[in-house]
Amino acid sequence: DAGITQSPRHKVTETGTPVTLRCHQTENHRYMYWYRQDPGHGLRLIHYSYGVKDTDKGEVSDGYSVSRSKTEDFLLTLESATSSQTSVYFCAIGKGTQYFGPGTRLLVL
Amino acid sequence: GESVGLHLPTLSVQEGDNSIINCAYSNSASDYFIWYKQESGKGPQFIIDIRSNMDKRQGQRVTVLLNKTVKHLSLQIAATQPGDSAVYFCAEILKGGSRLTFGEGTQLTVNP
Repeated sequence: DAGITQSPRHKVTETGTPVTLRCHQTENHRYMYWYRQDPGHGLRLIHYSYGVKDTDKGEVSDGYSVSRSKTEDFLLTLESATSSQTSVYFCAIGKGTQYFGPGTRLLVL
Repeated sequence: GESVGLHLPTLSVQEGDNSIINCAYSNSASDYFIWYKQESGKGPQFIIDIRSNMDKRQGQRVTVLLNKTVKHLSLQIAATQPGDSAVYFCAEILKGGSRLTFGEGTQLTVNP
């Protein structure tokens, strides 16, 4: 997984609670991404970062925020989780070819 | 909008046969294409890429063909093995861009 770890790998939470997912890379890459993967929708970009403190929205950013205070970590926060955010979340790094982490399975009850 | 899509959602082949997975794209500004393999419960794994100035690229047991005239991309897997069973995605990047646009994927099943 190209030096990319995600934590937690599995999480069950309740509607309305905040959730933070962490992506950690050891490749010192500038570009990092958060995707969600759902049946029938494939991989969709939530947010991405092109450097420390430099982030931008993807196609499905509503309800999500991100932070990148250091090169190796990219955090995805669901401020108030909803059932529609039940999904598998993948972090990726790279410009051009992207390399993906192992994913986080999130269930919002 | 522009999109990347796949012709077939599922493909079933016999072990040892060759597999061909197809992908259509509609953006003529697409500059770079990537094939990923995703096994159950894992993240997508890079297989092979090709730039728009190429027609063909070969890797180990895999070949990607690009037909820009009809905006078609294919992944050929030689001597398909049970370990090749997975979902295969194509993805594109526009010239000068950094964001990937993914197709929905094709499920390849290899029968012993």
